[in-house]
Amino acid sequence: NAGVMQNPRHLVRRRGQEARLRCSPMKGHSHVYWYRQLPEEGLKFMVYLQKENIIDESGMPKERFSAEFPKEGPSILRIQQVVRGDSAAYFCASSPLQGGSGANVLTFGAGSRLTVL
Amino acid sequence: AQKITQTQPGMFVQEKEAVTLDCTYDTSDPSYGLFWYKQPSSGEMIFLIYQGSYDQQNATEGRYSLNFQKARKSANLVISASQLGDSAMYFCAMREGKTQGGSEKLVFGKGMKLTVNP
Repeated sequence: NAGVMQNPRHLVRRRGQEARLRCSPMKGHSHVYWYRQLPEEGLKFMVYLQKENIIDESGMPKERFSAEFPKEGPSILRIQQVVRGDSAAYFCASSPLQGGSGANVLTFGAGSRLTVL
Repeated sequence: AQKITQTQPGMFVQEKEAVTLDCTYDTSDPSYGLFWYKQPSSGEMIFLIYQGSYDQQNATEGRYSLNFQKARKSANLVISASQLGDSAMYFCAMREGKTQGGSEKLVFGKGMKLTVNP
């Protein structure tokens, strides 16, 4: 019973390159979230997706960041033209239910650590 | 103002002793949820315990319990009988009321590091 799978675990990019982070939710989970953790900080919400739909992107930077969760395949967080400030751990989480109330618990992946040189 | 405050930068505890990790929160919404997550050195986020704002009883999960003091807006995590494997970062998080599209939009504190000594 695999949990939330994220890859790559570590990614190094030079400034200006693109970073693609992938997330496969737990089996049976159709709700996917991306969070970002800067060094010495807690996690910050970025985006919430269901299959083929972005539901809440209120935490996404306005430029260079995009996310998708296609009908088939993993969810992708894409960062174009990376800058040093993008260096962080990016966590994906999934849940079986729509959240917003009650003890709907997110299951997190192990994170993808992006380093921008 | 910070929504979630964890003021303890780090704590040390002896194995088998109990330890309390502090968390205060700030919200004007009457409906909210409070979560604690553990992040060991390997990096993953592990859910520990949940408390709803309308729950009458303090939440408990095995060796974890939540000391929920609503009037003081605090949700301290108590770990009984500490084990070496409890050494990790601990994060308190809150979900406020109804969210856009049913989103699990959690607000996390900065965390605190617990070290359990043998």
